[in-house]
Amino acid sequence: AQRVTQPEKLLSVFKGAPVELKCNYSYSGSPELFWYVQYSRQRLQLLLRHISRESIKGFTADLNKGETSFHLKKPFAQEEDSAMYYCALSGNQGGSEKLVFGKGTKLTVNP
Amino acid sequence: GAGVSQSPRYKVAKRGQDVALRCDPISGHVSLFWYQQALGQGPEFLTYFQNEAQLDKSGLPSDRFFAERPEGSVSTLKIQRTQQEDSAVYLCASSPQGIRQFFGPGTRLTVL
Repeated sequence: AQRVTQPEKLLSVFKGAPVELKCNYSYSGSPELFWYVQYSRQRLQLLLRHISRESIKGFTADLNKGETSFHLKKPFAQEEDSAMYYCALSGNQGGSEKLVFGKGTKLTVNP
Repeated sequence: GAGVSQSPRYKVAKRGQDVALRCDPISGHVSLFWYQQALGQGPEFLTYFQNEAQLDKSGLPSDRFFAERPEGSVSTLKIQRTQQEDSAVYLCASSPQGIRQFFGPGTRLTVL
C-alpha cells in the first residue's frame, strides 16, 4: 500500500536556525516524491520534486531509498517559510498520476 | 494565464441536500484530479480524468459521490444526500501530460 508519513504535526524554529521536515514513505515500486507548500490563505503549490534535484527557496530534499525517506531541509529558516508543508508521492499505478499525501507539518519560524 | 479555478469557494448545505462543485482547469491540461481534504489532514485522492475519460475513481468514498468531465475541460463533482462527514475542502488539480499538478483554491463544504 502507498503511504506517506509526516511524524511532526507542528514544528517551531527560530529565524536563522536549520530546519528539517521529516517524511517517510511506503511504496513497493519506484515512486516520485514531492514537497508541496501552502502559505496562509494561498493555494497548495509545488515546492520541489526529487527527480529535479533542485533547490527552491533554499530548500532541498534527498530521496533515500534505503530509509524510504524524503526529508526537507533548509540551513537557515526565514519567517516567510512559515507554512503548511505536505510530502506526497506519485506511483503512476494503472496510469493514474494521483498523489498520496502525508498529513502535513505546520512550520512556524519565529523572529 | 489563469490558474485552476473552483466555484463556489464556500458552500453550506443541510444534511440530505445535493451539492455540485465546479472546477475549471488550466486550458489545455489533459489530466484533472479531485481531492478531499478533511480538517487537519492531507488531501486524499477521489478521482482522476484524462480528457473526458474517468480513468480512476477508486477514491470516491461512496456511491453518493459522482464526478464528470463531459467535454474534457470543466469538471463537476456532485455529492448526493450530503452527510456531516462530507464536510471538507474539495480540491481540484490539473496537469498537462506528466506529473506536476496545479491546484485550485478549493471549495469548503460545510454540512449542517
